[in-house]
Amino acid sequence: NAGVTQTPKFRVLKTGQSMTLLCAQDMNHEYMYWYRQDPGMGLRLIHYSVGEGTTAKGEVPDGYNVSRLKKQNFLLGLESAAPSQTSVYFCASSFFPSGYRDTEAFFGQGTRLTVV
Amino acid sequence: DAKTTQPTSMDCAEGRAANLPCNHSTISGNEYVYWYRQIHSQGPQYIIHGLKNNETNEMASLIITEDRKSSTLILPHATLRDTAVYYCIVRSYTGTASKLTFGTGTRLQVTL
Repeated sequence: NAGVTQTPKFRVLKTGQSMTLLCAQDMNHEYMYWYRQDPGMGLRLIHYSVGEGTTAKGEVPDGYNVSRLKKQNFLLGLESAAPSQTSVYFCASSFFPSGYRDTEAFFGQGTRLTVV
Repeated sequence: DAKTTQPTSMDCAEGRAANLPCNHSTISGNEYVYWYRQIHSQGPQYIIHGLKNNETNEMASLIITEDRKSSTLILPHATLRDTAVYYCIVRSYTGTASKLTFGTGTRLQVTL
C-alpha cells in the first residue's frame, strides 16, 4: 500500500516554463488537496477536489491549474512558472467526511520546486 | 474555517509530558479540532482529532475545553523523535467541501 505518491520529488524550472506535478493515491479517497509550503510558514491550500471531475480553489490558486480526471490522480499544473512559485508542494487525500468517521488526511512526501 | 492561535515554539525535556495549547475562540458547532505534526521537511502526519469530548490514541491525548474555545495536545512521554512543528487545525464539514487550513504551528523542541 503506497498511500500518497508525488512525482517528481525535485525539479528545477526556468522562468516561463511549464510543468505538471502528479499526485496519486491508492486508498480510494474522494478528497484530494494541493498545498504549498514556503520557508518558515505553514501549508497554504492551492486547490482541492471533492471527487472525480471536480476541482475548487483554495487560498492561493493564482498561477496554478488542476485536474482530477481519475479518482486516484490529482494533477497540479504551472503554465508559466515564476520565481515566486519556488516552494515545496504537498499533496494530500482523505475520505469524504461523514459524521465522526475517521477522516484524517494522508500526505505525500512533497515536491521541491525551484524556479530560476 | 475558524482561525487558530498557537505559541511559536516550546521546549520539553525528554520523558516529560509535552502540553501544546491552541486557541480557537471562533469555532463553530460543527467544526472539529485536528492536530498534525511535520517532522523536518516531511509531509504532515495526522495525530488526533475531536469534536467535544477528550480523545486519546496511541500517540497523544486531546483535551478540549467545555466551551470548545481552546484545546491542548498532550504527548505523555516526549522523546527526541517528537521534535517537530505541531499544527492545530479547525476543520468544518459543509457536505460538499471540507478543507484543512494550516496556521504556522508550534515548533516543539525535545531535549535531553
